[in-house]
Amino acid sequence: EAQVTQNPRYLITVTGKKLTVTCSQNMNHEYMSWYRQDPGLGLRQIYYSMNVEVTDKGDVPEGYKVSRKEKRNFPLILESPSPNQTSLYFCASSLSPTGVGSTFFGQGTRLTVV
Amino acid sequence: AQKVTQAQTEISVVEKEDVTLDCVYETRDTTYYLFWYKQPPSGELVFLIRRNSFDEQNEISGRYSWNFQKSTSSFNFTITASQVVDSAVYFCALSAADRGSTLGRLYFGRGTQLTVWP
Repeated sequence: EAQVTQNPRYLITVTGKKLTVTCSQNMNHEYMSWYRQDPGLGLRQIYYSMNVEVTDKGDVPEGYKVSRKEKRNFPLILESPSPNQTSLYFCASSLSPTGVGSTFFGQGTRLTVV
Repeated sequence: AQKVTQAQTEISVVEKEDVTLDCVYETRDTTYYLFWYKQPPSGELVFLIRRNSFDEQNEISGRYSWNFQKSTSSFNFTITASQVVDSAVYFCALSAADRGSTLGRLYFGRGTQLTVWP
């Protein structure tokens, strides 16, 4: 079954404690990205990757890091989380950057930073 | 710059009513893609439709229909005979594809919360 898998689904952490949210896709997609969803703001892109070792900033990259060492994985790293990073996070993948062929989203990770 | 506006923050209807969710977009690209996603209370994002800028044909899928009008930069979504299970947040999104655009960014509207009452 084609899918994008994020882990964990829920996470509560404390300010400053490094964390990683994993994302994996099984469709051999080249394009992957991370979004955060906040009430009243919709989804905003954090980072995206066109292929292995090719990443670039989205609209709200501050406080986040990503890496793309393998085609299937695209982890999101918060080196020093802060309360303003409390949000719902989505990983997405698609065969092409424009989403032709559809963009697949993970189930979401609800992060709370206290 | 790319922008998507969903002016309706919340809509409430009673079951079996028709409801239209508005989406207005801004882009200077000639090639672009428009999307609608549904987010039920469980939180996942469900893909509903993708339309490219060269295809202005309206589309119908069961109780769902979409009206794409380039002249007004709108891509509205209508649910006919709404049901309680249609209650969700609906997002409209845009992806620009001209040379020079940042390929792959999906620009989302802020979403419309639809509540269908029994």
